[in-house]
Amino acid sequence: EADIYQTPRYLVIGTGKKITLECSQTMGHDKMYWYQQDPGMELHLIHYSYGVNSTEKGDLSSESTVSRIRTEHFPLTLESARPSHTSQYLCASGYSYNEQFFGPGTRLTVL
Amino acid sequence: AQTVTQSQPEMSVQEAETVTLSCTYDTSESDYYLFWYKQPPSRQMILVIRQEAYKQQNATENRFSVNFQKAAKSFSLKISDSQLGDAAMYFCAYRILYGGSQGNLIFGKGTKLSVKP
Repeated sequence: EADIYQTPRYLVIGTGKKITLECSQTMGHDKMYWYQQDPGMELHLIHYSYGVNSTEKGDLSSESTVSRIRTEHFPLTLESARPSHTSQYLCASGYSYNEQFFGPGTRLTVL
Repeated sequence: AQTVTQSQPEMSVQEAETVTLSCTYDTSESDYYLFWYKQPPSRQMILVIRQEAYKQQNATENRFSVNFQKAAKSFSLKISDSQLGDAAMYFCAYRILYGGSQGNLIFGKGTKLSVKP
């Protein structure tokens, strides 16, 4: 399996809290992505980055923000978590557009 | 807008048998890529197979092969000699070849495959 890590794996948090989901990869990939996946549903791209200091919003509107200060690190932040943010968040990276390596995901529950 | 449709929410196959998962897509583009990803329970999603739209020959990876029908916008996955480890959610995905969003994958809702011993 690819060397891409996400922490925490599970997070239960109260409404209004600020949270940061971590994603790191050790493969030197330029391209990194964040997807949101509700149970039993498809993945939706919420953010992507094609290199350091480059971030773009994906197809699904999200209240989260991302940063890409280092190649290997692509954290996602929610300033004020709400129950509607409850979902699984998957991070992915790749050298090319034709293969994305996925992390194990973070299951977020906002009470 | 591009869409990907997987009409089979769940499928079941007997070990050692063959199963075909369906996928259709809608696009006005002529150049694109199609993918099948596998998401085992509680494990990371991995790429199973990909197909370039400009190639007429169907892609094959060991026991996995596709039936790509460009005119029909159909992209089915055939798993031969099914194994218990094939049990997973299978997602069909699409991406355009050019443009600012060329790296962005569009996924279907997935098909849950069960393999019976």
